Amino acid sequence: GAVVSQHPSRVICKSGTSVKIECRSLDFQATTMFWYRQFPKKSLMLMATSNEGSKATYEQGVEKDKFLINHASLTLSTLTVTSAHPEDSSFYICSASPGPNHEQYFGPGTRLTVT
Amino acid sequence: QKEVEQNSGPLSVPEGAIASLNCTYSDRVSQSFFWYRQYSGKSPELIMSIYSNGDKEDGRFTAQLNKASQYVSLLIRDSQPSDSATYLCAASLRGSSTLTFGKGTMLLVSP
Repeated sequence: GAVVSQHPSRVICKSGTSVKIECRSLDFQATTMFWYRQFPKKSLMLMATSNEGSKATYEQGVEKDKFLINHASLTLSTLTVTSAHPEDSSFYICSASPGPNHEQYFGPGTRLTVT
Repeated sequence: QKEVEQNSGPLSVPEGAIASLNCTYSDRVSQSFFWYRQYSGKSPELIMSIYSNGDKEDGRFTAQLNKASQYVSLLIRDSQPSDSATYLCAASLRGSSTLTFGKGTMLLVSP
């Protein structure tokens, strides 16, 4: 149990385009989903927290207009990187939690390369 | 500011030995604690969760929690080369699923 999927696993896009990443909890309902990014050999960095049906809460320094998060249902959250630039190239990982005091289960991640 | 501290390592142990990974946290009201394993280029994978003082065992893994000392540890018995990875310690507050992560300890198990 507790499986989280992410799609796509890899994406290459041109500078200036937008990319959408999907995160799904397959066998449980996720009241909260989280989006992280990780640069090579660096720590996980939390970007934002989203609760189903409400606006995402972004961490300091994360541009909400650039990283659009939608949590439309208890099993699906999307992250859209708008007007991507090469410095947005990173490993984006989502996680989902059934509720407070519960674990976070991570998706397999999406490797974004912006050329 | 909530902090979770881990020694970055690498911690090197021979195959078959016990690996001991340690973590301290600064926020006394942290309630839930988790250990994740992350292989290079992959996402974190949950290994253990622990909520109350004492030991919790699952196969070759034992998590230990001491809230008075604000200390969490993970013991890996009979370490295998496949255990070589970065181990992340994380804590959350009561009523929250938001995690504060440590920077991780790299474990290297040599054959």
